[in-house]
Amino acid sequence: GAVVSQHPSWVICKSGTSVKIECRSLDFQATTMFWYRQFPKQSLMLMATSNEGSKATYEQGVEKDKFLINHASLTLSTLTVTSAHPEDSSFYICSAAAQMNTGELFFGEGSRLTVL
Amino acid sequence: GEDVEQSLFLSVREGDSSVINCTYTDSSSTYLYWYKQEPGAGLQLLTYIFSNMDMKQDQRLTVLLNKKDKHLSLRIADTQTGDSAIYFCAESDYGQNFVFGPGTRLSVLP
Repeated sequence: GAVVSQHPSWVICKSGTSVKIECRSLDFQATTMFWYRQFPKQSLMLMATSNEGSKATYEQGVEKDKFLINHASLTLSTLTVTSAHPEDSSFYICSAAAQMNTGELFFGEGSRLTVL
Repeated sequence: GEDVEQSLFLSVREGDSSVINCTYTDSSSTYLYWYKQEPGAGLQLLTYIFSNMDMKQDQRLTVLLNKKDKHLSLRIADTQTGDSAIYFCAESDYGQNFVFGPGTRLSVLP
């Protein structure tokens, strides 16, 4: 199946710093990528839909200025957590659709962010 | 809004069959999915079924869909310890608007 890679897989940072997470589709082009957040023992929460070449669409309650999303190419989307605080600590997962009309959605390995 | 429900926990003995159930509310769902998440990892697509199908089988996995009752199930035959994970049911409308269930934590006992 299609491969989606996230980097870094684990990051620890100090409060107030910004952290960038990359999501790459390795063997296919993805016009649309999705960013999720997962709290411990909970399901995925969709944060935003990232569209190549245009602005991301954020879900209600997700701060656009806090979670900056850039989808500059058909194989790369980035999520930047700006001025991170301990409450931003979470598991962030991206996914990409290889073929939107078949509905297949492939996920990255996830990135665990810990803010001290 | 759309909702997807699953039981949260399931325990089975190694070698038995596991059946994970899911119900959804969106009648316009066109694709229904099962994802597996191992500890600390992302989600792995196990299988998916188009809404005009009743059943799909792939090796040890059997997916059954009852569209009338909006009920989806995943059967894992000959369950192994490596199958211990969280299994997420999800639905979408032609690949858009994914909605995930809360996940079922499967524990396989030796």
